Amino acid sequence: GQQVMQIPQYQHVQEGEDFTTYCNSSTTLSNIQWYKQRPGGHPVFLIQLVKSGEVKKQKRLTFQFGEAKKNSSLHITATQTTDVGTYFCAGNTGTASKLTFGTGTRLQVTL
Amino acid sequence: GAVVSQHPSRVICKSGTSVKIECRSLDFQATTMFWYRQFPKKSLMLMATSNEGSKATYEQGVEKDKFLINHASLTLSTLTVTSAHPEDSSFYICSASRGETEAFFGQGTRLTVV
Repeated sequence: GQQVMQIPQYQHVQEGEDFTTYCNSSTTLSNIQWYKQRPGGHPVFLIQLVKSGEVKKQKRLTFQFGEAKKNSSLHITATQTTDVGTYFCAGNTGTASKLTFGTGTRLQVTL
Repeated sequence: GAVVSQHPSRVICKSGTSVKIECRSLDFQATTMFWYRQFPKKSLMLMATSNEGSKATYEQGVEKDKFLINHASLTLSTLTVTSAHPEDSSFYICSASRGETEAFFGQGTRLTVV
């Protein structure tokens, strides 16, 4: 079945440092979504990428979708303590909203 | 808009009893709802897809007689964990779709079976 892997599993940075998580799917995706889950919380939708090679920005967050639509990345510039949480990519192969979640990257930010 | 409410947020039950979890879309009609399970520090694992008025589609390895899903209306889906055992303890999360690819998640239910 479809697998979506993320690296790293965990990253600890100091506030102000940059952070990147990479997402790789075993199959070609229709689109990819990114979610953030705070400790004890539920996943919150961040963004969706649809086009091959697409790049989207949200303030300090930059999202990329690979040319082959099998990988994606999320880059955070100048992390803040509010960025703490687990970031999941989730792949969609066409069926509306049926997502295969990546393994997640837990980000810890300290002062 | 697009609020999904899940209830209860936490439940503790005894082994052998059944627990029902509700997932409601408050301000939209959900054509499809999804149920996920999440173990501590792990990813979300899709359990089943639920369409209003039809039988749920379960993912491979998920026991349909163990995890009963009912999607009686366009705003409500329920997951019943039957004859719960300690290994069923987990975080269960629903999501709802209104036909687009974005899914809206409930707050999750932390189930502890003692």
